[in-house]
Amino acid sequence: NAGVMQNPRHLVRRRGQEARLRCSPMKGHSHVYWYRQLPEEGLKFMVYLQKENIIDESGMPKERFSAEFPKEGPSILRIQQVVRGDSAAYFCASSPRGSGNEQFFGPGTRLTVL
Amino acid sequence: DAKTTQPTSMDCAEGRAANLPCNHSTISGNEYVYWYRQIHSQGPQYIIHGLKNNETNEMASLIITEDRKSSTLILPHATLRDTAVYYCIVRVDTGNQFYFGTGTSLTVIP
Repeated sequence: NAGVMQNPRHLVRRRGQEARLRCSPMKGHSHVYWYRQLPEEGLKFMVYLQKENIIDESGMPKERFSAEFPKEGPSILRIQQVVRGDSAAYFCASSPRGSGNEQFFGPGTRLTVL
Repeated sequence: DAKTTQPTSMDCAEGRAANLPCNHSTISGNEYVYWYRQIHSQGPQYIIHGLKNNETNEMASLIITEDRKSSTLILPHATLRDTAVYYCIVRVDTGNQFYFGTGTSLTVIP
């Protein structure tokens, strides 16, 4: 049973470009969560999605960031017009059900903005 | 979600038990205690969780005090691969997210 998959594992972008991060949840999991980890800090929650629905986006920056989890395919975290401060590790987690369950994390995507 | 307090760092000799403490004095009745760990540059790994009773699985044991104000994660026979940052998190049973603090950096020494 494959775990949570994220790609790319490393992504380099220049300021002003767009970054697209993909996450495929574990088989049988329909709940996806995105977290961001800045250097030397703990993970910070960004958004929680179910298929075709955003359930909780309380941790998402108000501008430039968006997330989706379509009916088919992986969840996508999209960052438009990236800035150096967006450089971080972005982790995706999934769970079989929603609230109250443990979350299983992927290996992360390390975004570097030049 | 209640706040937790953990020591910044700990050392443990290889083969010995590692006991990682966590204080959560403001925990409320419907909050679970979860433990995750993050090995350098990897995604967090779920270890164990509990509400009131002590719990054990193939990775670790979780001891929760009777008043639930603190808990201890026990790795019975630490190996070098257990070197990681360990996060103690309390979360309501209806919570959507985990609040990761700075955790305890455990170093297992040969």
